[in-house]
Amino acid sequence: QVQLQESGPGLVKPSETLSLTCTVSGYSVGSGYYWGWIRQPPGRGLEWIGSVYRSGSTYYNPSLESRLTISLDTSKNQFSLRLSSVTAADTAVYYCASSHDYSNPLGDWGQGTLVTVSS
Amino acid sequence: DIQLTQSPSSLSASVGDRVTITCRASQSISNYLNWYQQKPGKAPKLLIYAASSLQSGVPSRFSGSGSETDFTLTISSLQPEDFATYHCQQTYSTPPLTFGGGTKVEV
Repeated sequence: QVQLQESGPGLVKPSETLSLTCTVSGYSVGSGYYWGWIRQPPGRGLEWIGSVYRSGSTYYNPSLESRLTISLDTSKNQFSLRLSSVTAADTAVYYCASSHDYSNPLGDWGQGTLVTVSS
Repeated sequence: DIQLTQSPSSLSASVGDRVTITCRASQSISNYLNWYQQKPGKAPKLLIYAASSLQSGVPSRFSGSGSETDFTLTISSLQPEDFATYHCQQTYSTPPLTFGGGTKVEV
C-alpha cells in the first residue's frame, strides 16, 4: 500500500509562498499514478488543488493556477506544492493523496498538515 | 466547473438506522462519482468509487447508487463507528475535480 506524509512549515506570513512536500513510500512516484494535493479550511469542505503525473504533467484548479506549482522529485520519491502570495483564505489542512489515474478516486491519503497564514 | 450539491448538510441518526445521503451534480458525470468518509482530525477514506463499487475492506452496509446527475450513499444499519462526515467527489471533468459540501452524520 502507498503511504504518504506531508511536511512543511505550519505558519506562513501573508504575501509569502507556502511550500509543502509529500514523501511517498511503498511506490515509486516515477512509476505511475497521479499525485495530488487537496485542502480543507477549518470547519469547511474539501477543495482539490491539483495533481502531477509521473511525466511531470500537471493539472491545476483554475481558481489557484496563477499562484500554484506542483512538481515531482523522483530522486527523493517526493512531490511538492508551492502556493504564492498567500492570504488568510489559504489557511487550511493540506492533504497529499494518490490515484491510479486522473479520473480515478483518491485511494491513499497522507494524514494532513495544518498551514496557518498569519503575520 | 461541475458543482456537487449534497443533502442534507447534517443529519441526526441512531445506531441501527438506515441512512441515505444524496449528491446531485450540476451536469451529467456518468458514474464518475466517489464517496469518502472523514472522521474528526483524520484524512478522508475512500468508501465507494464509480458510483457503486465498494472499496476493498469497506463494510457491506455501505452502498452507492446512481448515475448521470443523481447519486446516493446508503448505510443500511448505522454503527457507532459510522458517525462521521461524508463527502462526494466527481472525477469526470477536466480540472477542477470537485467535492460536495459534505454531510455530517451525528447522534
